[in-house]
Amino acid sequence: GNSVTQMEGPVTLSEEAFLTINCTYTATGYPSLFWYVQYPGEGLQLLLKATKADDKGSNKGFEATYRKETTSFHLEKGSVQVSDSAVYFCALTSYNTDKLIFGTGTRLQVFP
Amino acid sequence: DVKVTQSSRYLVKRTGEKVFLECVQDMDHENMFWYRQDPGLGLRLIYFSYDVKMKEKGDIPEGYSVSREKKERFSLILESASTNQTSMYLCASTPSRQGTDTQYFGPGTRLTVL
Repeated sequence: GNSVTQMEGPVTLSEEAFLTINCTYTATGYPSLFWYVQYPGEGLQLLLKATKADDKGSNKGFEATYRKETTSFHLEKGSVQVSDSAVYFCALTSYNTDKLIFGTGTRLQVFP
Repeated sequence: DVKVTQSSRYLVKRTGEKVFLECVQDMDHENMFWYRQDPGLGLRLIYFSYDVKMKEKGDIPEGYSVSREKKERFSLILESASTNQTSMYLCASTPSRQGTDTQYFGPGTRLTVL
């Protein structure tokens, strides 16, 4: 079945460090891929998405590229800020459904 | 902006009680979802609904039921709460059934069952 695997956290970084959170997936057909972010005390909100192979999603300095050959959608940011501290979820919807399948989440902690 | 609201941020109930969690969205979205979020497990889909009075089971429906009497409102019901239902519950909505749509989430209800 469809599934998402993302790196376990917490990821602890100093401000202005480079961030990578790995995400790989298993899916039939052509899934859409998402990164959602959950700030402390809040619900999830969409960070970025990509709907076909080689698409790059970007938002707030974050980027992720849909790599079909490696079934990956790694999240990157060149210079993190303390305000980026949150839990990040990788997710997919397969081609014939809008049901999201989530990874387990990765907590990012950024220190000044 | 789409707004999804949930009736309570924190709720404490006793084992065996009937519990209602309410979710309301204000953007005329067709689809609504209930998830539970647990550490190390991510979000798991409990139930979802594509239309008024329609409901479909998600991945973990046991011990839960839902009600959608109006398009904007989707209720999750725990008929007889148990301690293993202590969790964060998140509601979400989308405008259509396209897999590319963004899901819009409420702030969550943290339920503790004693």
